[in-house]
Amino acid sequence: QVHLVQSGSELKKPGASVKVSCKASGYTLSNYALNWVRQAPGQGLEWMGWINTNTGNPTYAQGLTGRFVFSLDSSVSTAYLQISSLKPGDTAVYYCARDHTTAFDLWGQGTLVTVSS
Amino acid sequence: QSALTQPASMSGSPGQSITISCTGTSSDIGDSSYVSWFQQHPGKAPKLMIYEVSDRPSGVSNRFSGSKSGNTASLTISGLQTEDEGDYYCSSKRSSGDRWVFGGGTKLTVL
Repeated sequence: QVHLVQSGSELKKPGASVKVSCKASGYTLSNYALNWVRQAPGQGLEWMGWINTNTGNPTYAQGLTGRFVFSLDSSVSTAYLQISSLKPGDTAVYYCARDHTTAFDLWGQGTLVTVSS
Repeated sequence: QSALTQPASMSGSPGQSITISCTGTSSDIGDSSYVSWFQQHPGKAPKLMIYEVSDRPSGVSNRFSGSKSGNTASLTISGLQTEDEGDYYCSSKRSSGDRWVFGGGTKLTVL
């Protein structure tokens, strides 16, 4: 079966960093682009950007600050989202989603990142 | 770049039909064949319901249909069922700027 499996929930203090993982199983990671989408509590979906899983080149949504970094480890079929200098406003569920060119056809289960002192 | 515009909430009775609109611009919906719709239940990941404006993934009920006219896409759900209750999001690929954009979401209540 085809899955994207994300790492578990995180509770972090302001100023800390977090790294969320997204492991592809049942398909070859490099065959599809990989996107990151966040959803703040009670809010809608926000596209954060994507990573070219062939080249590892990330593209970030306009307005997304340099605190967010997308990366890959193709040897373990895993994509990563790292957020540094965490703020309470970063509290959200972060999803990875496979981009089948025409749509996001496969989603991870989501990772809740809570930033609180 | 602004999100696509959806009604915040809609409601319907079981058996009725309902249409959710999603309005964008000539840089997204108006210039894209890649308009999608997602259903999200509380605490769950979004699920793809419609892609490429009107196509349904395998396993999605044919009660769900999509269309587009100009800068506005629509999702129609016919024969509403209680399990259709949830949040619905549209999405479009963009011809310039950010690769993808989402709508603000519509909360559907089946009374």
